[in-house]
Amino acid sequence: GQQVMQIPQYQHVQEGEDFTTYCNSSTTLSNIQWYKQRPGGHPVFLIQLVKSGEVKKQKRLTFQFGEAKKNSSLHITATQTTDVGTYFCAGPKKTSYDKVIFGPGTSLSVIP
Amino acid sequence: DTEVTQTPKHLVMGMTNKKSLKCEQHMGHRAMYWYKQKAKKPPELMFVYSYEKLSINESVPSRFSPECPNSSLLNLHLHALQPEDSALYLCASSQPTGVHEQFFGPGTRLTVL
Repeated sequence: GQQVMQIPQYQHVQEGEDFTTYCNSSTTLSNIQWYKQRPGGHPVFLIQLVKSGEVKKQKRLTFQFGEAKKNSSLHITATQTTDVGTYFCAGPKKTSYDKVIFGPGTSLSVIP
Repeated sequence: DTEVTQTPKHLVMGMTNKKSLKCEQHMGHRAMYWYKQKAKKPPELMFVYSYEKLSINESVPSRFSPECPNSSLLNLHLHALQPEDSALYLCASSQPTGVHEQFFGPGTRLTVL
């Protein structure tokens, strides 16, 4: 079945270091979404990418959608303690656009 | 108002109890979702309502019964749950056509004894 994978599962960085998480889908995606969930919180939508090769920036966060629309990445420059949380990518299921499949997430810890 | 509210925040119930989780949004979204999330796992879709009609049931056991009384409200009725059903239950809403961002509520932390 359709799968969405993410690496790494966990990442511990020193404050100020950069961080990248990678998302890979077993099938091509019409779009990909990224969510952030703080410890004890709920998922919060960050961004949606639609076009092949698309790159979007939000302050220190850079999101990319692969040319084949099967992979994506989130890069954070100069991490801060406020970046702590789990980052999920999510893509629509091919057979049912009502359904979004979440990747397993990358948990980011930032050491001050 | 871009908020999804959920009540209660926490719920402890026995295996013979009947309880309900409630979710409300006033963003005019016509798609609403129930997710179950275990610790250190991604949200797992349970049900989708589109225009107040159940469009997806992810083979969820019948001890979970969803209800969508109107376009702003979503309930999840619980009966005869098992300890393994203990989890964070998240409600979300979105525009119903195409693929749009989902707005999540804060969740109900459920413990089944």
